[in-house]
Amino acid sequence: GQNIDQPTEMTATEGAIVQINCTYQTSGFNGLFWYQQHAGEAPTFLSYNVLDGLEEKGRFSSFLSRSKGYSYLLLKELQMKDSASYLCAVRDGNYQLIWGAGTKLIIKP
Amino acid sequence: ETGVTQTPRHLVMGMTNKKSLKCEQHLGHNAMYWYKQSAKKPLELMFVYSLEERVENNSVPSRFSPECPNSSHLFLHLHTLQPEDSALYLCASSQDAGTGSSPLHFGNGTRLTVT
Repeated sequence: GQNIDQPTEMTATEGAIVQINCTYQTSGFNGLFWYQQHAGEAPTFLSYNVLDGLEEKGRFSSFLSRSKGYSYLLLKELQMKDSASYLCAVRDGNYQLIWGAGTKLIIKP
Repeated sequence: ETGVTQTPRHLVMGMTNKKSLKCEQHLGHNAMYWYKQSAKKPLELMFVYSLEERVENNSVPSRFSPECPNSSHLFLHLHTLQPEDSALYLCASSQDAGTGSSPLHFGNGTRLTVT
């Protein structure tokens, strides 16, 4: 079967750096997405990776290794507003989106 | 502010009621989706519409009935639900269904409680 694994919950300190990992086993691969979801709100698109390497967008970066079935989302200079759930999703060989259960990130002062 | 609007935000209904969830997208997208989100579980795809035609139905019980009258509007009609159907129901849209890099744009969801 197809599967996405990410940690259930992480805690980090304001101003620090945190890395949220995502590993996947899918039938084929056509890209990986990261979304941010604040409690009670819509998930919002953060990043898309289809080739190996690091994509940087301001304080957020996303990394992909297709050979390892692995991605991470790196958040720098953490702010309290970064407290949210982070969802990893992979498009498989049939272009179906396979979702992880999300990582709840708690930022402490 | 999201380009996808869902109403109502909260809904409490008994098992014998009939209600409808509404979704509207203002992004000019061609594909619309219904997802179910339960605590600590991955998003579950329920239905996909592309250009107003249903292209996917993931073995969803018949007590959930979608309707897509045009490319901007999507409904989910609910009847004789079960308590386990209590969840957050998310509507989403994308430029096209199933293309690689096209991200989904989500609404804020309807928090449904079945009593």
